[in-house]
Amino acid sequence: DTGVSQDPRHKITKRGQNVTFRCDPISEHNRLYWYRQTLGQGPEFLTYFQNEAQLEKSRLLSDRFSAERPKGSFSTLEIQRTEQGDSAMYLCASSLADLGQGQNTEAFFGQGTRLTVV
Amino acid sequence: AQKVTQAQTEISVVEKEDVTLDCVYETRDTTYYLFWYKQPPSGELVFLIRRNSFDEQNEISGRYSWNFQKSTSSFNFTITASQVVDSAVYFCALRSGTSYGKLTFGQGTILTVHP
Repeated sequence: DTGVSQDPRHKITKRGQNVTFRCDPISEHNRLYWYRQTLGQGPEFLTYFQNEAQLEKSRLLSDRFSAERPKGSFSTLEIQRTEQGDSAMYLCASSLADLGQGQNTEAFFGQGTRLTVV
Repeated sequence: AQKVTQAQTEISVVEKEDVTLDCVYETRDTTYYLFWYKQPPSGELVFLIRRNSFDEQNEISGRYSWNFQKSTSSFNFTITASQVVDSAVYFCALRSGTSYGKLTFGQGTILTVHP
């Protein structure tokens, strides 16, 4: 399978616990994005990586959230001290940017990690 | 600021009916890109189409067609002869031409096609 993969698919955690999600993008894609989707809403942008550099973070990403992309390959999203309001689907996407041409392919999304905080 | 509005929250049709999903967008950019994604129950967002702001040609792909009108800032999506497998949530999205790829999504339209 050469698509974007996310692990785990589902996570149930108690309030106050830490959780970590993993995203493996399409192998040649240099851009990686995290989005959050709550019930009945469209995905909302959280953060973006170009290779290993995190270049933008949304104000939605509080200081309890941290994302990394070591070596510019897979990425992790950690939520510390989870709250019930963190319950959502966390989507990862990747795209290929041809920096010389200024072109960017469309983003391909993974199936998401559904987080439930109880 | 960019904004995408999908006014139709839910649409229900019977198989073989045609259905149009509306999308209206707001942007100050002169160059931008519009997208449609399909989200089946499995959760994955499936890319359907990308349209550049400087190309207003309508596009047809099988039973799918898209009508882009800059004058009304709309990018509507029509499914002809709908099928049960078309049941999903459909999202319209906008990306700035100067952006690295960040998408602004609408709230989505839930389409249910009954046999």
